[in-house]
Amino acid sequence: AQKVTQAQTEISVVEKEDVTLDCVYETRDTTYYLFWYKQPPSGELVFLIRRNSFDEQNEISGRYSWNFQKSTSSFNFTITASQVVDSAVYFCALMRWRDDKIIFGKGTRLHILP
Amino acid sequence: DAGVTQSPTHLIKTRGQQVTLRCSPKSGHDTVSWYQQALGQGPQFIFQYYEEEERQRGNFPDRFSGHQFPNYSSELNVNALLLGDSALYLCASWLAGVTDTQYFGPGTRLTVL
Repeated sequence: AQKVTQAQTEISVVEKEDVTLDCVYETRDTTYYLFWYKQPPSGELVFLIRRNSFDEQNEISGRYSWNFQKSTSSFNFTITASQVVDSAVYFCALMRWRDDKIIFGKGTRLHILP
Repeated sequence: DAGVTQSPTHLIKTRGQQVTLRCSPKSGHDTVSWYQQALGQGPQFIFQYYEEEERQRGNFPDRFSGHQFPNYSSELNVNALLLGDSALYLCASWLAGVTDTQYFGPGTRLTVL
């Protein structure tokens, strides 16, 4: 069975602090994809990143970075120097190769306080 | 380049009624999936349409049905609405065999009274 766990239900940090959102996944497949999506109050899911299971290289995009570790089945997301506009619900998700069905975690609600 | 669009934005129905939600995929995409997101939860996969056929289905009752048209747009139909069907319904699209990144629309918020 596939499962995504986001243990942090809600996080509040003061603007400019760094914050890490945790994601742990479960799958028996060797080929799969991991995603992070952002959901602002408007409701639309905004795609942030996709990683395939063969690419454990960490990625940085501006203030965002992702740490993928297969050994611990984790795909954590760090926001550096957070801003109020980063306030949203963030979802980690898993998809088996060629399955096309995305399994989402329950999300982490992030509050960036001014 | 228009992204995924959905209509209507909001909808209020009463128990027992039927509802139809619509989705237009992002330009160049041919595959559509529907997800249900209850309040405070992550989206749950309902079903996927490709080449006008249902290809995969999640754990949803037959009251949930769909359709895909030749222009790749899609409809989600829910019959005999229950209070528990109140949720945000999200549509995602992508180009089969080319990309595995699904792009989501803004959703339709359905309230069942």
